[in-house]
Amino acid sequence: AQSVTQLDSQVPVFEEAPVELRCNYSSSVSVYLFWYVQYPNQGLQLLLKYLSGSTLVKGINGFEAEFNKSQTSFHLRKPSVHISDTAEYFCAVSRSGGGADGLTFGKGTHLIIQP
Amino acid sequence: DGGITQSPKYLFRKEGQNVTLSCEQNLNHDAMYWYRQDPGQGLRLIYYSQIVNDFQKGDIAEGYSVSREKKESFPLTVTSAQKNPTAFYLCASTKGAGGRTGELFFGEGSRLTVL
Repeated sequence: AQSVTQLDSQVPVFEEAPVELRCNYSSSVSVYLFWYVQYPNQGLQLLLKYLSGSTLVKGINGFEAEFNKSQTSFHLRKPSVHISDTAEYFCAVSRSGGGADGLTFGKGTHLIIQP
Repeated sequence: DGGITQSPKYLFRKEGQNVTLSCEQNLNHDAMYWYRQDPGQGLRLIYYSQIVNDFQKGDIAEGYSVSREKKESFPLTVTSAQKNPTAFYLCASTKGAGGRTGELFFGEGSRLTVL
């Protein structure tokens, strides 16, 4: 079965500083990987996804992630954060190779931007 | 604009009552999902449906029921058998077999509070 571990429940960082949110996964099948963002009392919005090809994936709002198969990681990065990036971030992996039965999510990382 | 509509956004219920959460999508997606979100727990899959008149249990289906009579609609009933129903409920959908990578599109969520 697939699983996702987000290593930090909270990450505080100062505005305009770089940030990395860590995600490790385990899967017995080929994976599709995703990062979603959630603002308070809202649904989830896709930031970026890795399906195949280049291991460096660029997403919206200046975020990027790198797929590392040997380390089974998919860490999310941003070179300079803004106060509006304060939100909950979820890493997810497809539950099966074809993604037919949804995604398995990590427990989330709360990104706190300090002025 | 296409999207997923969940209603109501906030719902209060007394113990022992059943309640039904609505989820409607106009994205022409084949598959639909219900997730439950609790603080610090991430998202957990309740039920999913890949085609009309068919659905499968997820990881935490006990105390919940669903129906899929129309492609656009996937209502979730929280029954009195659910021991701890207070949570944030998220509905999602994804494309059919031809584009099935697992990428989910989410509604805005419904917050259920049991008094």
